[in-house]
Amino acid sequence: GAVVSQHPSWVICKSGTSVKIECRSLDFQATTMFWYRQFPKQSLMLMATSNEGSKATYEQGVEKDKFLINHASLTLSTLTVTSAHPEDSSFYICSAKSGSRGDEQFFGPGTRLTVL
Amino acid sequence: AQKITQTQPGMFVQEKEAVTLDCTYDTSDPSYGLFWYKQPSSGEMIFLIYQGSYDQQNATEGRYSLNFQKARKSANLVISASQLGDSAMYFCAMRGNTGGFKTIFGAGTRLFVKA
Repeated sequence: GAVVSQHPSWVICKSGTSVKIECRSLDFQATTMFWYRQFPKQSLMLMATSNEGSKATYEQGVEKDKFLINHASLTLSTLTVTSAHPEDSSFYICSAKSGSRGDEQFFGPGTRLTVL
Repeated sequence: AQKITQTQPGMFVQEKEAVTLDCTYDTSDPSYGLFWYKQPSSGEMIFLIYQGSYDQQNATEGRYSLNFQKARKSANLVISASQLGDSAMYFCAMRGNTGGFKTIFGAGTRLFVKA
């Protein structure tokens, strides 16, 4: 099956610092990757869609300068939370879609970010 | 605009019984896909079942079946012979064929399986 990994699985950082989260497709090429955010006891909210080699498309209300997304290769996308604040504490989940595997979307295990 | 609605915040079911989790949707896309995911406390999203809007038959995957009623825009998940390990959050999701193939999720239903 298709595997998507995320690193780190959890991270604690101080307010004002930046945190980078990696999303990798391990055994397929991901033409499109999605980043979601999930607050406790809530649903997944799509933050942005990234296509390899092009700028990410952000959903309404998501600050692109705060949540920097880079999809530099077909197997790696990164989400950088810049100048993190406690309200950025959340569970961040990426998913990847391969053009050769139809409509299926494969999810990473998620990264739990806690900003102190 | 696309919308997914799950009206049951929580559901209880006795072990070995069947349970139905409700999901309704709204979309203007002529073609779309409907998904159900399970999210245990660990946080990972586990794909359960998929239904295409043009599929003639309801999807089934083991103990999971999807009761797809296109005219009513509903896609309920039926879990048969519930097991204790089925206790988790369940999300209904939809992806249309426009708008960058984005998948949107419902609010989720927490299922509790009682021994």
